[in-house]
Formats: sequence, C-alpha cells, structure tokens
Amino acid sequence: GQNIDQPTEMTATEGAIVQINCTYQTSGFNGLFWYQQHAGEAPTFLSYNVLDGLEEKGRFSSFLSRSKGYSYLLLKELQMKDSASYLCAAVGNTDKLIFGTGTRLQVFP
Amino acid sequence: SQTIHQWPATLVQPVGSPLSLECTVEGTSNPNLYWYRQAAGRGLQLLFYSVGIGQISSEVPQNLSASRPQDRQFILSSKKLLLSDSGFYLCAWISSGQFPDTQYFGPGTRLTVL
Repeated sequence: GQNIDQPTEMTATEGAIVQINCTYQTSGFNGLFWYQQHAGEAPTFLSYNVLDGLEEKGRFSSFLSRSKGYSYLLLKELQMKDSASYLCAAVGNTDKLIFGTGTRLQVFP
Repeated sequence: SQTIHQWPATLVQPVGSPLSLECTVEGTSNPNLYWYRQAAGRGLQLLFYSVGIGQISSEVPQNLSASRPQDRQFILSSKKLLLSDSGFYLCAWISSGQFPDTQYFGPGTRLTVL
C-alpha cells in the first residue's frame, strides 16, 4: 500500500534548529513535497525533492533519500511564526499527492 | 498572476441539506484541479480531480460529487449532507506543463454540518 509517516507533534525553542522526519511508501516515486499549514489556513508550498540530497531555501532545507524512502525538513533559526503544521506528501505512479497527517510544530520563546 | 478562489469561506449547514462549493482559477488555462477534505486532526484526503472540462475522477465513494462546467471552474456538491461531511475543503490546481507539478491550494471552505 501507500503510506506516509511523520511525527504528530514537535516542540522547539525560538532560534533553535528542528528536523521533521518523514518516511514514505509509494507505488513508484515522482517526488516529495513539503507544505506549511498555519491553523485555519490552506497549505502553502515549501519545497520539492526528486533526487537524493539536500535542497536549501533560506532558513528551510529539505533532504531526500530515495533508497531509504526518507525525507526531512530542516528549519533553522526558528521564529514564532514557524509554529504551524508541516505536511509531507509523496507522488507515486499515479501523479497524485499522498499526504501524511502532518507534524504540528510549536515554537516557544 | 495566477490565483485561486474558493467560496464560501465558511458554511454551517443542517444534516440532509444540499451543498455547493465553488472553486475558480485565474491566470492559467487547462489546469488540473483537485478537491481535498481535511477533517479535524487528519491528513488531506483527495476527493476528486479533473484534467479537463467534464472530466472528473472520484477517489473515494461518498455522497459528494464534482463537476467542471468550465476550464477554470470546479464545483463540489452534495444532495444530502451527513455529519461526517464536516471539514475543511480545499481546492488545488496545477498549471499544465509546469515542472515540478506543484499543487497550489485555495483558501478553503470550512464546512460544519449540524
């Protein structure tokens, strides 16, 4: 079957670094997306990985290992506004996104 | 610029009443369009997707239906709402020919069925 696993909740301190892990199982693989979703709002696109390695975008980076079915989102220099849910989603052979249930991150001062 | 609209933003409906949610996209043509539902504490569930006018694929059996009467319009409907239909309904689009095929979401409709 197809499945996405990520932790339900994480907490971190302002200014710190946090890593949100995601493991996936899909029939075929055509990419891994990360989205940010603030409470009551729609998800917004953060990053896309299709090849192994690290993609960096400012304070956010995303890593992919296709052989391990594993990705992580790294958030540096955490700010209070980073408190949100982070959704991992994989694309299999069907070109449809399969979403995890999301990781709710709380950043404390 | 490309934008996506959904309305209404919030909706409270009694059980058994009909439903119509609308999604429109501007600034693009021939987009792939998607309807998702997000129930409280759960992940995004794909309900329907469309690759063109009149072309609808259903992902899960339910009392909902979708239609695409125009290239940039996607409608989600129900004849009789159930309590379990409550949730956050999101429309998403992918511009044809774009790489990667990133889905961008509309602002969503929060539906409460009482």
